[in-house]
Amino acid sequence: QVQLVQSGTEVKKPGASVKVSCKASGYTFTNYFFHWVRQAPGQGLEWMGRINPNSGGTNYAQKFQGRVTMTRDTSITTAYMELSRLRSDDTAVYYCASGSGPGYWGQGTLVTVSS
Amino acid sequence: DIQMTQSPSSLSASVGDRVTITCRASQGISNSLNWYQKKPEKAPTLLISDASRLETGVPPRFSGSGSGTDFTFTISSLQPEDVATYYCQQYDALPVTFGPGTKVDFK
Repeated sequence: QVQLVQSGTEVKKPGASVKVSCKASGYTFTNYFFHWVRQAPGQGLEWMGRINPNSGGTNYAQKFQGRVTMTRDTSITTAYMELSRLRSDDTAVYYCASGSGPGYWGQGTLVTVSS
Repeated sequence: DIQMTQSPSSLSASVGDRVTITCRASQGISNSLNWYQKKPEKAPTLLISDASRLETGVPPRFSGSGSGTDFTFTISSLQPEDVATYYCQQYDALPVTFGPGTKVDFK
């Protein structure tokens, strides 16, 4: 069955970087974009950007331009999202999503930014 | 960016009630609209794609309609497990944008 399995909880200090991974299985990794979406506490869903796993081409939301980097490693069917210069308002659950829709979602990774 | 609005922001209903949520796009998006269900501590679940296509395995009490700028999401008979927040999402143009969500709970 299709699975997107994300890396575990992270606690970071302001100004640091975090890199979240998303391991895909059960479907052809290169068939669909990988999207990254976050949800801050008490807030709605926010799209951060996407990566084409075939070409590596990316599209980022303007809000995250310059701070986010999305990459992938096709040999291990894993996508990554790195967010730098973290602030307290980056505290959120980060999700990867892929498939048609996208309809496949990872379980989420909690990133807490606190001094 | 295409702005998505939803109404109402929250609603309370009884088991068996018909529930309707509307979603409006700031410009025409054809039928490039998804509906997601989001429960606390769970990843979003895609219920409806292309504005009206029910995803495999999703109960038929869920439905969607609309095109252009105005869309509707309906639960024909609310069930206890439907308590959640529902989001519309447009994918006609980048950046992908979500509506602010509609929280559905029981009276």
